Amino acid sequence: EIVLTQFPGTLSLSPGEGATLSCRASQSISSSSLAWYQQKPGQAPRLLIYGSSNRATGIPDRFSGSGCGTDFSLIISRLEPEDFAVYYCQQYGGSPRTFGQGTKVEIK
Amino acid sequence: QVHLVQSGPEVKTPGASVKVSCKASGYTFTRYGFNWVRQAPGQGLEWMGWISAYDGNTNYAQKFQGRVTMTTDASTTTAYMDLRTLGSSDTAVYYCGRTDRPGGSYTDYWGQGTLVTVSS
Repeated sequence: EIVLTQFPGTLSLSPGEGATLSCRASQSISSSSLAWYQQKPGQAPRLLIYGSSNRATGIPDRFSGSGCGTDFSLIISRLEPEDFAVYYCQQYGGSPRTFGQGTKVEIK
Repeated sequence: QVHLVQSGPEVKTPGASVKVSCKASGYTFTRYGFNWVRQAPGQGLEWMGWISAYDGNTNYAQKFQGRVTMTTDASTTTAYMDLRTLGSSDTAVYYCGRTDRPGGSYTDYWGQGTLVTVSS
């Protein structure tokens, strides 16, 4: 099983600042099969990025993803008030598919 | 537009079974599959498995093998997840989601979630 470790656990930032979230895999993920989701309290997750760097439909370009192998990042260039949420990475290159434990982006 | 609408909350006693439904609309049902993901209270996301709506192939997480059955019904464009022998640790919100690759890849559209509470 591929274990995904996200760090930091919590990011305390102000609106307008940039954020870098990291996701490290216990083994190399084939074909950059990594996705990022955003989840707000009481809501279902929302797909942000798939294939490591492809933005999903309707996702603003302040969200970008990068990485390959075992190290991946989600970058939010300038935080908007609606971006404060929990973010999860997920790998779909190995079975079972697994999620990271999440990074909470909170208002400082 | 794509919509996935799940069945309502359930309260079950330990040892019982639960069947959650996921009604899909807005796309060609058999061209995609479904991931099922759960989230225990205050916890992260856990992938349970995948089913193809085209041919019914499944890929279950080993943790749930023998206890979960995923099915689809193309005539009603509905996916189902049946979980048996429930315990308190199965208390969670269960989500269905659309996915486009065999075995289950990323989920591009999600249902609203179904809270299953297991309590004596």
